[in-house]
Amino acid sequence: QVQLVQSGAEVKKPGASVNVSCKASGYTFTNYYMHWVRQAPGQGLEWMGIINPSGGSTTFAPKFQGRLSMTRDRSTTTFYMEVSSLRSEDTAVYYCARVSRIAGYYYMDVWGKGTPVTVSS
Amino acid sequence: DIQLTQSPSSLSASVGDTVTITCRASQSISNDLNWYQNRPGKAPKLLIYGASTLHTGVPPRFSGGGSGSQFTLTISSLQPEDFATYYCQQSDYTPWTFGQGTKVEVK
Repeated sequence: QVQLVQSGAEVKKPGASVNVSCKASGYTFTNYYMHWVRQAPGQGLEWMGIINPSGGSTTFAPKFQGRLSMTRDRSTTTFYMEVSSLRSEDTAVYYCARVSRIAGYYYMDVWGKGTPVTVSS
Repeated sequence: DIQLTQSPSSLSASVGDTVTITCRASQSISNDLNWYQNRPGKAPKLLIYGASTLHTGVPPRFSGGGSGSQFTLTISSLQPEDFATYYCQQSDYTPWTFGQGTKVEVK
C-alpha cells in the first residue's frame, strides 16, 4: 500500500540545522510531487514547500526562503527536508504529504505520520 | 498570498447534530479548495477536494460546496469520531495556504 515513512523525533539547539526524511513506497516515485507542511504546538497547519521528484525543482513559501532545502534520492525513493538556522519558533511537527491530481484539482492525499522537531537550548 | 478565513473558529455540538463550517478566500480560487480533518497526535486526513468531491473512503455524511471565494464543509449526523479540527486549504496559487482551523468540540 502507499506509505510515507518519516524519520524520528529530533532535538536541536538554536542555530543548528535539522534534516527530516520521508521514504515513499507503494507507488511510482516520480509521478507525484511531495509537499512539506508543519504544525507548531497548538497551532494550525503551515505549508512550507514542494519538490518535483523527477527533476528535483523546488518552490518554497516566502517565509522559508534561504533557510529551507528540499532534495530527493530516486534510488532510495526518499525525500529530504532541511531547515537551517533553527530558532525556537521552528519547534513543530513536520509532515511530508504526497500530492495527487484529478480533473485538474491538486490535493494532499497521503501523509507521513509526522516528525516532531524541538528547538531548545 | 491567498488568505483563507474559517468561521467559526470553534463550535460545540452533540452526536447526531449537523454542523457547517465556512471558508472564505481573500480572492477567487475557482474550485481549488480542499478540506482536511486533523485529530490530536495524528496526521491530517483528506476529506474533500475540488470543493465538493468526496475523497475515497470518506463517509457521505461529509459534504462540501461553494466556488470562487466562499466554501462550506457540512457534517451531517455527527459521529463520535468526527470531533476534531477541520482545515480548508487552497491549491490555486503558490504558496498553498490553509485556513486557521475550526475545532468541533463535544457539547
